[in-house]
Amino acid sequence: DTAVSQTPKYLVTQMGNDKSIKCEQNLGHDTMYWYKQDSKKFLKIMFSYNNKELIINETVPNRFSPKSPDKAHLNLHINSLELGDSAVYFCASSQATGHSNQPQHFGDGTRLSIL
Amino acid sequence: GQNIDQPTEMTATEGAIVQINCTYQTSGFNGLFWYQQHAGEAPTFLSYNVLDGLEEKGRFSSFLSRSKGYSYLLLKELQMKDSASYLCAVTDSNYQLIWGAGTKLIIKP
Repeated sequence: DTAVSQTPKYLVTQMGNDKSIKCEQNLGHDTMYWYKQDSKKFLKIMFSYNNKELIINETVPNRFSPKSPDKAHLNLHINSLELGDSAVYFCASSQATGHSNQPQHFGDGTRLSIL
Repeated sequence: GQNIDQPTEMTATEGAIVQINCTYQTSGFNGLFWYQQHAGEAPTFLSYNVLDGLEEKGRFSSFLSRSKGYSYLLLKELQMKDSASYLCAVTDSNYQLIWGAGTKLIIKP
């Protein structure tokens, strides 16, 4: 029944490790997003995919690599984790395809803590 | 540059009315969204305005003035569960969504 689901919900790991976060949506949306929300609660877009193609790639360290195996999935792999990567990462999806304006639906977030 | 301004924090009393303002300067405009985010949870969609005027949805209403680059979210008959952050977001000419930093609303009994 869940519309946008991401796993894991909590991720605690050591600096320097590599980790992945997975996201799946069952809404039939064409576009998926990854956001980072830091301690000041500012929601910052990282990546956006439309039908498996990258359409937004903001200034993000290349340690972050998104992968979209199909339009219902968008995963985020992070290499060599740093203390500053600690944040909540939200996955979202929408029907927006460049000429429509539909609301985004968010997953519950992944709380990443770097020790 | 693109900029969205909203107050950082507001306090209101249960049962009262509160208005949360949002001003924006973006390269083009294709609509404005309001989202609600409870602490520790995901943002959820509240309203969408693309034409000037007031959109009413139950206790919540959202207003837009494109010429002034201004919107507000009006919450009536405040309930304790309305304590949350309210995020204003604008779609620019490329249909990219630009987010404000959010307004934390505290409701007191």
